[in-house]
Amino acid sequence: GNSVTQMEGPVTLSEEAFLTINCTYTATGYPSLFWYVQYPGEGLQLLLKATKADDKGSNKGFEATYRKETTSFHLEKGSVQVSDSAVYFCALLVRSSASKIIFGSGTRLSIRP
Amino acid sequence: DTAVSQTPKYLVTQMGNDKSIKCEQNLGHDTMYWYKQDSKKFLKIMFSYNNKELIINETVPNRFSPKSPDKAHLNLHINSLELGDSAVYFCASSQVPSGEQYFGPGTRLTVT
Repeated sequence: GNSVTQMEGPVTLSEEAFLTINCTYTATGYPSLFWYVQYPGEGLQLLLKATKADDKGSNKGFEATYRKETTSFHLEKGSVQVSDSAVYFCALLVRSSASKIIFGSGTRLSIRP
Repeated sequence: DTAVSQTPKYLVTQMGNDKSIKCEQNLGHDTMYWYKQDSKKFLKIMFSYNNKELIINETVPNRFSPKSPDKAHLNLHINSLELGDSAVYFCASSQVPSGEQYFGPGTRLTVT
């Protein structure tokens, strides 16, 4: 079946530190991959996406590369800010007549000033 | 302009009651969804409608019944509420079933 595994949190970093949140997936076919972010008290927002192997999604300084050989889609940012504190969800979508997104369990990120 | 809106934002009710949560999207999307997020932030799809037709119906108690009066609305009705129904419920929409999804702000349901 289809599934997403991401690193457990919470992850606590100091401002300007380098961030990596690991995400691996299992899927039939060729999924699209996403990172969503949920700020406190809000709904999920799409952060970035990649639709095929070797694609790199990027937004707001965050990047993730679709690695088919390692079935991974790790999220990275070179210098985090306090405003990046949120819960991050890795997700995949396998297209079918009833496509649905499979979410990982979420990783809570806290950034210290 | 709010893309996906939900009402109410907070809902506190007693066990055994019946309640509804409403969702509207003004994006012109054809597909809408309901998700449940538990206290550990785990997010699970419940239902999906495409052009008012049910296309995803995950294993949820039949106390939960979605209703889509038109493409822009997907409401969730819950009968005989139980303590375990306490969660945050998110509505979402996408242009097509395989498209990226846009989420509403969530409805925090507390059953006492």
